Amino acid sequence: AQTVTQSQPEMSVQEAETVTLSCTYDTSESDYYLFWYKQPPSRQMILVIRQEAYKQQNATENRFSVNFQKAAKSFSLKISDSQLGDAAMYFCAYRSQPEAQKLVFGQGTRLTINP
Amino acid sequence: NAGVTQTPKFRVLKTGQSMTLLCAQDMNHEYMYWYRQDPGMGLRLIHYSVGEGTTAKGEVPDGYNVSRLKKQNFLLGLESAAPSQTSVYFCASSFGRRETQYFGPGTRLLVL
Repeated sequence: AQTVTQSQPEMSVQEAETVTLSCTYDTSESDYYLFWYKQPPSRQMILVIRQEAYKQQNATENRFSVNFQKAAKSFSLKISDSQLGDAAMYFCAYRSQPEAQKLVFGQGTRLTINP
Repeated sequence: NAGVTQTPKFRVLKTGQSMTLLCAQDMNHEYMYWYRQDPGMGLRLIHYSVGEGTTAKGEVPDGYNVSRLKKQNFLLGLESAAPSQTSVYFCASSFGRRETQYFGPGTRLLVL
């Protein structure tokens, strides 16, 4: 079974600085998707960014980018120019192609933005 | 376009009581999902549906039942609530199994 591990329960960063959240996963599959979801205090799960495993180019969405290292099974999220509104729980998630209906989530990282 | 909505937002039950959580989506999505989120853990899939009239078990299905009588609605039932079912429940939907899942705001359930 696939597993997703986020080794940083909490992270903090100064406003306007850059922070990187770590995620590793375990799978024997070659075709899959990876996601980062944001969960603010409202509890709403918001998709931040997604990466297809077959794509070598790292995904970017405005201030959010990923460092996808397929061989190392690593998928980190970089947030540039951190803003107060970025404060939230961040979850890394894995989705295989054979079982594409199932998302496997990591434990989450709580990100605090210091003004 | 409300997206995915969940009813109720918060509920307190006594052990042994039953209740139904309602999820509704207005995006004409085929797939719908129920997850639970426990403290210090990510979301875990309870049940899912690939279309009207169909349901399937996820990772943690015991103690729950689901129904998808209408395409836009997905119900999660607890027949006899237990304290271990205290959790936050999330519904999600997607066009297909390989499409992005969109989540509702969650329902916080406390079983005493």
